[in-house]
Amino acid sequence: DLVMTQSPLSLPVTLGQPVSISCRSSQSLVYSDGDTYLNWFQQRPGQSPRRLIYKVSNRDSGVPDRFSGSGSGTDFTLKISRVEAEDVGVYYCMQATHWPRTFGQGTKLEIK
Amino acid sequence: QVQLVQSGAEVKKPGASVKVSCKPSGYSFTSYGISWVRQAPGQGLEWMGWISPYDGNTNYAQRFQGRVTMTTDTSTSTVYMELRSLSSDDTAVYYCATSGQLDYWGQGTLVTVSS
Repeated sequence: DLVMTQSPLSLPVTLGQPVSISCRSSQSLVYSDGDTYLNWFQQRPGQSPRRLIYKVSNRDSGVPDRFSGSGSGTDFTLKISRVEAEDVGVYYCMQATHWPRTFGQGTKLEIK
Repeated sequence: QVQLVQSGAEVKKPGASVKVSCKPSGYSFTSYGISWVRQAPGQGLEWMGWISPYDGNTNYAQRFQGRVTMTTDTSTSTVYMELRSLSSDDTAVYYCATSGQLDYWGQGTLVTVSS
């Protein structure tokens, strides 16, 4: 199966500061249609996961514009421009190009 | 708006089976597949499989092959995930989500396997 590797796994951050989370795949995520199906999810404590970003860089409806996604091929990044208290939780990347779908291990964001 | 409502928590004994339901609303039932994802206590997300309500096609993760069955009931617009031969390792919250891109998620169903 395709392996998704996130880093860091733990991310203590000061409110208002920017953060980046890296996600690398063991093979290219470019699908035969030319799109790259790399999604990012946020899971707040005690809640179901919520998709933030789809196809590398497209924000879902209602997602604040301080969240952005970038990358290509096998190397992807989620950035939060200014962390707010409501951003605390675990962030997962997931590839939806190949079967089976696979998730990264998760990155736990906490406030210092 | 799109919503997915799952069935309630279950407690099962080792060796038993569990069947979790997921009822989507807010869109045409056969338009999008449904994925199932589970999360063991304190652990990450694990993709289990996907089913198309349109034609019943499925795609299961290898590690669940032979033990999981995903089905749909178009008369009630409900999707089911059955997991057999349960062990304590299957204690987890089970989620359904729309399509292969997991746009929208259900509230989760806690399945506890304990003797």
